[in-house]
Amino acid sequence: DAKTTQPPSMDCAEGRAANLPCNHSTISGNEYVYWYRQIHSQGPQYIIHGLKNNETNEMASLIITEDRKSSTLILPHATLRDTAVYYCIVGVQGAQKLVFGQGTRLTINP
Amino acid sequence: GAVVSQHPSRVICKSGTSVKIECRSLDFQATTMFWYRQFPKQSLMLMATSNEGSKATYEQGVEKDKFLINHASLTLSTLTVTSAHPEDSSFYICSAALVRWPKNTEAFFGQGTRLTVV
Repeated sequence: DAKTTQPPSMDCAEGRAANLPCNHSTISGNEYVYWYRQIHSQGPQYIIHGLKNNETNEMASLIITEDRKSSTLILPHATLRDTAVYYCIVGVQGAQKLVFGQGTRLTINP
Repeated sequence: GAVVSQHPSRVICKSGTSVKIECRSLDFQATTMFWYRQFPKQSLMLMATSNEGSKATYEQGVEKDKFLINHASLTLSTLTVTSAHPEDSSFYICSAALVRWPKNTEAFFGQGTRLTVV
């Protein structure tokens, strides 16, 4: 079973920041938080991952709470192409056996 | 990023026939690959872990004799759906892990194969 809880859907205006929350209250000390997204009828795309420190790359920022029980993925300037299902996954680095939950369907509106 | 390629991207077959789907890591070696299945409007469900040079590990409820997995090289894993039936129609996706020492291990996914059994 997935170890994360995400809202089923969210809307965001184009050009604004999209903040996607994820709860992972049972995360273990050696588990990372991974974010992937899936655009319709394509394979999932890796976005970012982290352990306990906040992370940023060219796609997004990941904010992990101090107790690591929740995190937020931030797309700083959402575009229409960011419309997708976003999956938050916890797992041990190196195992790569990713268990997907239901994800959040993010819709970017013009 | 690394590239994982699946072939074919779309296939239609008759009920009772077998279909083979290939998953290749194009620019890296992957000792482990994973196969997922996704039904419409549902999430990805892990089917099995494919290990190079050894038998695959199947998730509970997945019939190993129906979904044959072969991982003969470090860049190729195949999934064969044997005696396919309409209920096997689904979107099949593979992934391969790229280990970048010391920190990052990322799973890269293929573009998926849409199987339709008629």
